[in-house]
Amino acid sequence: QKEVEQNSGPLSVPEGAIASLNCTYSDRGSQSFFWYRQYSGKSPELIMFIYSNGDKEDGRFTAQLNKASQYVSLLIRDSQPSDSATYLCAVTGGSQGNLIFGKGTKLSVKP
Amino acid sequence: ETGVTQTPRHLVMGMTNKKSLKCEQHLGHNAMYWYKQSAKKPLELMFVYNFKEQTENNSVPSRFSPECPNSSHLFLHLHTLQPEDSALYLCASSREELSGNTIYFGEGSWLTVV
Repeated sequence: QKEVEQNSGPLSVPEGAIASLNCTYSDRGSQSFFWYRQYSGKSPELIMFIYSNGDKEDGRFTAQLNKASQYVSLLIRDSQPSDSATYLCAVTGGSQGNLIFGKGTKLSVKP
Repeated sequence: ETGVTQTPRHLVMGMTNKKSLKCEQHLGHNAMYWYKQSAKKPLELMFVYNFKEQTENNSVPSRFSPECPNSSHLFLHLHTLQPEDSALYLCASSREELSGNTIYFGEGSWLTVV
């Protein structure tokens, strides 16, 4: 059974701080990695995707991938209260390469 | 507006009812998906359609019956559901069913089975 593990949180950070969200995955053959943000009562929306080892930056968000350790993370700099949401890690897996999701980490940014 | 629209947004049905969830994507994608999201559980992939052909059925009970008449529309027919089937049902689409293609979600249909 291919799995994606995330700390469910809640992760609480003060406004302006760096929030660090972590994810590990079991399928060493996974090639693509995604971070989705889901506000309460809403559907997931894509934040970032990363395919290669290393860092990928997009505005205040940085995704980090380490395939050897089967680890992917999302850093949010200058966290804002509007970043408060559940962050879902997803990796490709299975026979068709479909996305497998973690349970999500709930982030709370305190003003 | 996500480009993937789902109706109804909320549905309450009895265990003997028959209802359907509808999904339409306006993104020109060729792959469509049904996911189930229950409290404290990860998103579960239910069905995948690629170019109107079902390519994956993740051991979903037969009381859930998908239908994909074309690449833009996807239905989930529901009958004799159980209370534990109450969840958020999310439709999604992507360019094709290929590893690495980004999928885009609809707003979801909240289903309550009483």
